[in-house]
Amino acid sequence: QVQLQESGPGLVKPSETLSLTCSVSGGSVSSSSYFWSWIRQPPGKGLEWIGDVYNSGSTNYNLSLKSRVTISIDMSKNQFSLILKSVTAADTAIYYCARSYVTWFDPWGQGTLVTVSS
Amino acid sequence: IVLTQSPGTLSLSPGEGATLSCRASQRISSDYLAWYQQKPGQAPKLLIFGASTRATGIPDRFSGSGSGTDFSLTISRLEPEDFAVYYCQQYGGSPRYTFGQGTKLDIK
Repeated sequence: QVQLQESGPGLVKPSETLSLTCSVSGGSVSSSSYFWSWIRQPPGKGLEWIGDVYNSGSTNYNLSLKSRVTISIDMSKNQFSLILKSVTAADTAIYYCARSYVTWFDPWGQGTLVTVSS
Repeated sequence: IVLTQSPGTLSLSPGEGATLSCRASQRISSDYLAWYQQKPGQAPKLLIFGASTRATGIPDRFSGSGSGTDFSLTISRLEPEDFAVYYCQQYGGSPRYTFGQGTKLDIK
């Protein structure tokens, strides 16, 4: 059974860079059947897709964040990562990683809260 | 594509039936519509994909239907563990994925 686990700092200062990693167990990020996504949820609010990566390294991003986001994949570590630059308080959210079978997300990681504050 | 869910909050009692609505701003393929359940402090959980196909392990009291711009999630007999927030999600267009704002199902 595939499991995903997010890791990274829980506190980031404004204007700095948020960096998170998603570790995958019970499955492989090198699989050609899936995309690997990042999704975020501001506290008490709805869900926003950030972007995804395929095993080839090909990426897709939400245009609203594209200028600040980089998603990459590391097949040797069975992980994929999110970098979000120049963060502000509006980037405070629970960040989830998830596996995408193209049209839906399953499973999801448990999520990690990232707070942007000085 | 914007997804609008209604109602925002639905207050019902265990044993009752619930119908949650998801309306898209433009026509989408039924293959590209999914539903999730989120409980407090937990990640969303896939319930339905392809508008009407239950995910593995999802009880048959959950069913999805709809086409075009109008989709719905029906819970036939509410169990205490069903009280949660439900989101619809579509694939396609820009951005590649969007979610509805959610419907909170709470105990009356």
